[in-house]
Formats: sequence, C-alpha cells, structure tokens
Amino acid sequence: GAVVSQHPSWVICKSGTSVKIECRSLDFQATTMFWYRQFPKQSLMLMATSNEGSKATYEQGVEKDKFLINHASLTLSTLTVTSAHPEDSSFYICSARESGRDTEAFFGQGTRLTVV
Amino acid sequence: QQPVQSPQAVILREGEDAVINCSSSKALYSVHWYRQKHGEAPVFLMILLKGGEQKGHEKISASFNEKKQQSSLYLTASQLSYSGTYFCGTALQAAGNKLTFGGGTRVLVKP
Repeated sequence: GAVVSQHPSWVICKSGTSVKIECRSLDFQATTMFWYRQFPKQSLMLMATSNEGSKATYEQGVEKDKFLINHASLTLSTLTVTSAHPEDSSFYICSARESGRDTEAFFGQGTRLTVV
Repeated sequence: QQPVQSPQAVILREGEDAVINCSSSKALYSVHWYRQKHGEAPVFLMILLKGGEQKGHEKISASFNEKKQQSSLYLTASQLSYSGTYFCGTALQAAGNKLTFGGGTRVLVKP
C-alpha cells in the first residue's frame, strides 16, 4: 500500500530556534498534503493544507508566519516551526491522499517536537 | 466543523461488542475510520463513500447513513489488539479533500 514517510520522528530544540519536518509520499503523487497537530489524549487538529506549487491554506487560528509550509514537489511537503516556544511542543503528523482518487489518507509516522 | 464522536471512552472484556458513533452537522461525502495506538500515527481501518454503505475489516465493520450524516463503527467479538483510540474523519467534498477528525473514542479491551 501507499506509504508516507515523515522525518524526523522526534526532535528536541531550544526556544527561539526553528525546526523543519519533512513529509514524503513514497510511491504516489500527492498534489495535496495535510498537516495535523495533536496534543496528548486529544484529536488530530488540521493546521493547514499544503498545495504543490502554490501557497498553503491555513485553518483559522493557525499562524502562517510561524508554521511555514512548502510543497515544492509532488512527493514532498515540509513544515517549519519558526522561533519555537515550549507551547509549540506537540505531536505533528502529516497525511496525503492520492490525487484525484477517493482513497484513504495515508499518515506519516508523526514527529514529536519538544521545545526546551 | 469537527464531527462529534460518542462515547468518549469504552471498556470491554475480550469477546464483547461495542459501537462507536460519529455525527456531523454538515452533509458528508465520505467517512473514514482510523485507530491510533499511543505514540503512533493513526492506522486506516476503512472508508465509506456512499450513503447506506457498510464495510468490514475482519470483525470490525461500519455503516454510513448519508441522510442522517452519521456513521457507526462496530467492534464485534473484540480482541485485545482492538485497544486504542478510534477516530472518524469526515470529508465534505470529493477526492483529495481534507479530513476533519472527531474527538476520538478511547477503547480498552481487557482479558
């Protein structure tokens, strides 16, 4: 089945630094990828929709200048958390659906970000 | 808008059955069900695309009532491996659209 690879699986960074998370679709093309954030024992909250070759669409309340999304190719989307603060610590998960098909969303392994 | 899941949590003995419900205030194109283990990414269970459609995966099945904008997930003869948090994800439009997830239902299956 289709696979989405997310890297890194965990990262610890200092306050004020930036962290980049990569999401790759390994065996299919994804014109659209999705970035979610999940706090402990809570649901997956959609942050933004990443569109290949164009600007990302952010959900209400998500700061686009803080969470930079780049979707440079049909198989790669990146999320950069800029000037990270401890409250940004969370589990970030990307997902992708095959373009033009009514299939399931494939999830990456997730990235646990801890800002100290 | 986030779909509403119920119950929030359920504890079962191995072999018992359970039903998890997912309701939306908006017309749905599809409903997706996932199970997530602690610290891991969600794992796909099934997708329902048509009103009234029912699908199954081993002893886990689901139904989708398009008119009522509801879906239910049925855990039959539960196994220890069924423990985890179940999420429904809803899509309002056709292929490639984003999924909005419900709050989740925590399931614990005990021996």
